[in-house]
Amino acid sequence: QSALTQPASVSGSPGQSITISCTGTSSDVGGYNYVSWYQHHPGKAPKLMIYTVNSRPSGVSNRFSGSKSGNTASLSISGLQAEDEADYYCSSYTSSSTVVFGGGTKLTVL
Amino acid sequence: QVQLVESGGGVVQPGRSLRLSCAASGFTFSSYGMHWVRQSPGKGLEWVAVIWYDGTKKYYADSVKGRFIISRDNSRNTLYLQMNSLRAEDTAVYYCARDLRFSADFWGQGTLVTVSS
Repeated sequence: QSALTQPASVSGSPGQSITISCTGTSSDVGGYNYVSWYQHHPGKAPKLMIYTVNSRPSGVSNRFSGSKSGNTASLSISGLQAEDEADYYCSSYTSSSTVVFGGGTKLTVL
Repeated sequence: QVQLVESGGGVVQPGRSLRLSCAASGFTFSSYGMHWVRQSPGKGLEWVAVIWYDGTKKYYADSVKGRFIISRDNSRNTLYLQMNSLRAEDTAVYYCARDLRFSADFWGQGTLVTVSS
């Protein structure tokens, strides 16, 4: 159960677009369409932003989108806003019927 | 509205046990799988365990397998995590969360567990 690989940090200016990658293996990201993305502001509960690779829960802005190619999933955020600054985590279902998270990416809005 | 409220955290000595609870409301608890996820100080989210909606299947992270037990009481709308043989590295905020196709769509606010002598 090795953690999925995410960049430690990304940054962008307001209004710009950014993409966060999440790399796993064929036993997790590449093998199933059960990739999720979470936004986490310190001290608060994590918030689900994307599930099943590219589905958005009700209430989540359409500025957030997800995709997957092979063993790598991606979260894209367009029209960056100050409130998007947070930690972002990907997760995936695995062949062991467990779930594995990525190490997290700190998004800074410049 | 969906509410998940964790309780049972605190300070415990290494090797001892602790049981966390998660009280659910605002949805049909018995229809959903449930997860426990934790975050150690200064670290990222770590998935701990999942239990099927009816309690028939349970899966654990390797880091807690054999020491932690996830369970539920659908008559009480409550999820549990029995933590045995606690280690310093189990120190974390523990969240319960509702399953949505192997993601977690609603989360509690978390309860802090500190393992220290």
